[in-house]
Amino acid sequence: AQSVTQLDSHVSVSEGTPVLLRCNYSSSYSPSLFWYVQHPNKGLQLLLKYTSAATLVKGINGFEAEFKKSETSFHLTKPSAHMSDAAEYFCVVSDTQGGYNKLIFGAGTRLAVHP
Amino acid sequence: NAGVTQTPKFRVLKTGQSMTLLCAQDMNHEYMYWYRQDPGMGLRLIHYSVGEGTTAKGEVPDGYNVSRLKKQNFLLGLESAAPSQTSVYFCASSLGGAVDTQYFGPGTRLTVL
Repeated sequence: AQSVTQLDSHVSVSEGTPVLLRCNYSSSYSPSLFWYVQHPNKGLQLLLKYTSAATLVKGINGFEAEFKKSETSFHLTKPSAHMSDAAEYFCVVSDTQGGYNKLIFGAGTRLAVHP
Repeated sequence: NAGVTQTPKFRVLKTGQSMTLLCAQDMNHEYMYWYRQDPGMGLRLIHYSVGEGTTAKGEVPDGYNVSRLKKQNFLLGLESAAPSQTSVYFCASSLGGAVDTQYFGPGTRLTVL
C-alpha cells in the first residue's frame, strides 16, 4: 500500500532564506507524487506533480521538488522564502488502483516565514 | 468560471441531526470527491464518484452517504450526526482519474455538539 511521511510538522524560516520541506513515500510501484498548499481558511491548491517524466519538477511560485527513487524522497524546495509562502503543505502520493486517482495525504508541514 | 464551490461554509449541528453538504463544479469534470480534514492529519477520502449516477466508498465512509444525480453536483449527507464527525469537509473534482489534478473547494467547517 502507498503511504507518505512528512518528516517535519513545523518549519520556520526567515524571509529570503531557502525552504526545505521533507517528504518520504512508500510505494510498491513507480508512484505519482504531488505537493499541495493550503493557505489559512482556504482549499488546497496544486503546487506541482511528478508523473514519471523529469525527476526535477518545477511548480508555481518558485517551488520545485526532486524525485529520488533510491531515497524514496520527494522534498519540496524554494531558494528564497516570501511572507506569502506561510501556509500548510501536503505531500501526496497517488494510488491509481481501480482506475481513479485516490490521493493519500501526508499529515502536513506548517511553514512559518518570519520577517 | 467559479471552479469548485461548497455550501454551506459553516454549520453547527446537534447530535442526531441530519444535513446535506452541496458541492458544485463548473469544469465539466467526471470525477468528484469528498474528503474530511482533521487536526494533525492529512485529508482522508470519504466517498467519490467517477461519473454521473455513480458513487463509491473511500477510506472513511461510515456515517455518510452521497449522491451524484447531476454531473456538476456531488452531495454529502449525514443522516444522524455524531461529535466524531466534527471536521472540515472538502470537495474536489478532476477531469479524469489516474494522475489528473484534483481541484478543491474552499471547505465546510462542521461542528457537531
